[in-house]
Amino acid sequence: NAGVTQTPKFQVLKTGQSMTLQCAQDMNHNSMYWYRQDPGMGLRLIYYSASEGTTDKGEVPNGYNVSRLNKREFSLRLESAAPSQTSVYFCASRGRSPQETQYFGPGTRLLVL
Amino acid sequence: QKEVEQDPGPLSVPEGAIVSLNCTYSNSAFQYFMWYRQYSRKGPELLMYTYSSGNKEDGRFTAQVDKSSKYISLFIRDSQPSDSATYLCAMESGGSYIPTFGRGTSLIVHP
Repeated sequence: NAGVTQTPKFQVLKTGQSMTLQCAQDMNHNSMYWYRQDPGMGLRLIYYSASEGTTDKGEVPNGYNVSRLNKREFSLRLESAAPSQTSVYFCASRGRSPQETQYFGPGTRLLVL
Repeated sequence: QKEVEQDPGPLSVPEGAIVSLNCTYSNSAFQYFMWYRQYSRKGPELLMYTYSSGNKEDGRFTAQVDKSSKYISLFIRDSQPSDSATYLCAMESGGSYIPTFGRGTSLIVHP
């Protein structure tokens, strides 16, 4: 099993450009999450999807959109990138019971110039 | 005040030392407590998981939860240079499926 995979690993964008970060999991998990991690700020939740067909805002959703394409895939879109969105982005997934904790992907490093 | 407080460090210790990492929290509804380890340029990985109060041991690692004090700890015995990483605490109330993370503590174990 690959677990949680993310593409791309690294991306450089210019201000105003758009891009989509891809995430897929092969653990048949119901819930999927997008976080950003900045120095000194810890992990901050951008959006999450409790199940296929549902999405909800997290702590820092402004400037982002998400799509839960199917049970396996959860994408994060930046429509008009800003330097403040320079960060490391992590996708995570988890199963249905409370005892099943999150599994994280390897991250996407995004630099917006 | 953040819901979960964690000293960012860095914490630097010699190899073989006992390490104590801590988090405090304010939400009394938290029931599930986790510790994640994150190596540089990698994603977090679950290290320890505890439900409610008490201790849990796994090899060199011990997690403690004191709900009366709203305080959780992770102890690492016989620390190794390979333990050098950032340690994130996380906690969750029953049924929420949305953990609240601490900011992480950077640990450096030098030979």
